[in-house]
Amino acid sequence: DVKVTQSSRYLVKRTGEKVFLECVQDMDHENMFWYRQDPGLGLRLIYFSYDVKMKEKGDIPEGYSVSREKKERFSLILESASTNQTSMYLCASSMDRENYGYTFGSGTRLTVV
Amino acid sequence: GDSVTQMEGPVTLSEEAFLTINCTYTATGYPSLFWYVQYPGEGLQLLLKATKADDKGSNKGFEATYRKETTSFHLEKGSVQVSDSAVYFCALRNDYKLSFGAGTTVTVRA
Repeated sequence: DVKVTQSSRYLVKRTGEKVFLECVQDMDHENMFWYRQDPGLGLRLIYFSYDVKMKEKGDIPEGYSVSREKKERFSLILESASTNQTSMYLCASSMDRENYGYTFGSGTRLTVV
Repeated sequence: GDSVTQMEGPVTLSEEAFLTINCTYTATGYPSLFWYVQYPGEGLQLLLKATKADDKGSNKGFEATYRKETTSFHLEKGSVQVSDSAVYFCALRNDYKLSFGAGTTVTVRA
């Protein structure tokens, strides 16, 4: 069964820590995405990548960076975690075709204290 | 830019009731349209899709038809079950990006 795997389901970090969220897909998809989901705000795109070592800013990139050194892995980095980054983070991947949807991971619920 | 508008929830229904969730979109070109479902504590799962005008997507008793003339993609199910309780997201894809509606929370009571 094809899947997108996020390394942690729940994470608690302290303010100012550097946080790494890892995402791995086994479908050989070209495109990978990071979203955050907050009540009342829906899903907001943070960053996406359409190829290895390529990245593009989404709608809310401030305070985040990403890394894609291998095709199957896309990491989201919070350089200095803040309480307003407490959220559900969803990783997704997709083939590079417009009629394909995304496959999502189960999400990482991050709490910054 | 592209955008998706879906009806606000929450929606509460009794088992075996008819469900409709309205979705309209604004986009350039000819996007593909999707419905995703999110069960409590989980990520999003693709429910159904339609890739061109007049296509009907269907899955698990849910249906939606791509209506280009009304720029709509309404989700319907004839008889809901308690297990259909979830958040439903309408989405469109243009190029790389998938644009989501705000989500509609559906609760089905036994």
